[in-house]
Amino acid sequence: KQEVTQIPAALSVPEGENLVLNCSFTDSAIYNLQWFRQDPGKGLTSLLLIQSSQREQTSGRLNASLDKSSGRSTLYIAASQPGDSATYLCAPNVLAGSYQLTFGKGTKLSVIP
Amino acid sequence: DVKVTQSSRYLVKRTGEKVFLECVQDMDHENMFWYRQDPGLGLRLIYFSYDVKMKEKGDIPEGYSVSREKKERFSLILESASTNQTSMYLCASSLGGSKVSETQYFGPGTRLLVL
Repeated sequence: KQEVTQIPAALSVPEGENLVLNCSFTDSAIYNLQWFRQDPGKGLTSLLLIQSSQREQTSGRLNASLDKSSGRSTLYIAASQPGDSATYLCAPNVLAGSYQLTFGKGTKLSVIP
Repeated sequence: DVKVTQSSRYLVKRTGEKVFLECVQDMDHENMFWYRQDPGLGLRLIYFSYDVKMKEKGDIPEGYSVSREKKERFSLILESASTNQTSMYLCASSLGGSKVSETQYFGPGTRLLVL
């Protein structure tokens, strides 16, 4: 069964810093991997989806990388802002067509003004 | 933009009550999902549906059932609510079919308290 680990569990940085969130998964035979953001008490917002054939995916100040063979993905946030404060979750999709995501427990990010 | 709505943001029920949680999506998505989210356990899949009247069990289906009579609507049913079903319930949908991208879009969540 796929297990997903996100390190660190919490992170506090000053505004303007670049930062990296880490995600590792035990079953490298993934179809794709999604990164989500969750604000307190709210639903999840999809940030990036990276296919297994891709190494990177970018959206604005966000860049997700994927190393399928080593079971790792990173989310890079450039020039962090207080509005980036949220919990970030990664979720690999193990089987094509199964549509099932396995979620990590998330990294809670606080960006201090 | 995809919109996924859930019928209630907050719900308080008594043990033993039958509870219905409704989810509606407006983008003609084929796939719909129900998750629950608990502190320290993360998100766990309860049920999903890939077509009208079709359903598949997720990781924790016990104590729940689902109904999908129309493509846009996916209902989660707690047949006899128990206190251990107090949780945040999240609905999601994705395009499905033969599309490569399977981005899941989430609703705002329903926080259920069972007393």
